[in-house]
Amino acid sequence: DTEVTQTPKHLVMGMTNKKSLKCEQHMGHRAMYWYKQKAKKPPELMFVYSYEKLSINESVPSRFSPECPNSSLLNLHLHALQPEDSALYLCASSQEGGTGSILGGYEQYFGPGTRLTVT
Amino acid sequence: TQLLEQSPQFLSIQEGENLTVYCNSSSVFSSLQWYRQEPGEGPVLLVTVVTGGEVKKLKRLTFQFGDARKDSSLHITAAQPGDTGLYLCAGSGGYQKVTFGTGTKLQVIP
Repeated sequence: DTEVTQTPKHLVMGMTNKKSLKCEQHMGHRAMYWYKQKAKKPPELMFVYSYEKLSINESVPSRFSPECPNSSLLNLHLHALQPEDSALYLCASSQEGGTGSILGGYEQYFGPGTRLTVT
Repeated sequence: TQLLEQSPQFLSIQEGENLTVYCNSSSVFSSLQWYRQEPGEGPVLLVTVVTGGEVKKLKRLTFQFGDARKDSSLHITAAQPGDTGLYLCAGSGGYQKVTFGTGTKLQVIP
């Protein structure tokens, strides 16, 4: 099973709302990622969790708050977002959660994404 | 900062034509992945190359990793409308962080 699932598929929220994006994988992967993707652009890395600990935060504004409750789940909590935060939010997972000793271990498997619109 | 430049940025071809997409960097990568992404969906992994000079084939798609592991190419033979999408290369250079290429948007016209 190489599936990463994300919910919801679409989300419309106001600037004062609080919402959460959810991601799940059952491949036994130890690294999980959040990306933001604007139209016609490549994905931009936001956060990386390795062995359930936050290992990379790409200077993301605090209105985005990641959480990794266990090795299979990854959440992204959203609060007080701006219209420019509207984008496709992608979750991914990969086998390697450590220092890259496994060649090819950073193959990432992506979920279908959540299309977020902030009004 | 590691950068991956893809060319061309856009490509519109007729069904049955061949094409090559390039992914270039001044940095060395330990491995490189190619993905295809359709609108509104997540990228789907096509292949990983890890050895300099490596060539991998996936049906009509041929992937090559440069000898110095700084560049890669994707060649599609007899393109089909189902090949339409955004093609992304992504390089792994170290601890977890993956650098995505700038993307090549391919349209295959029936």
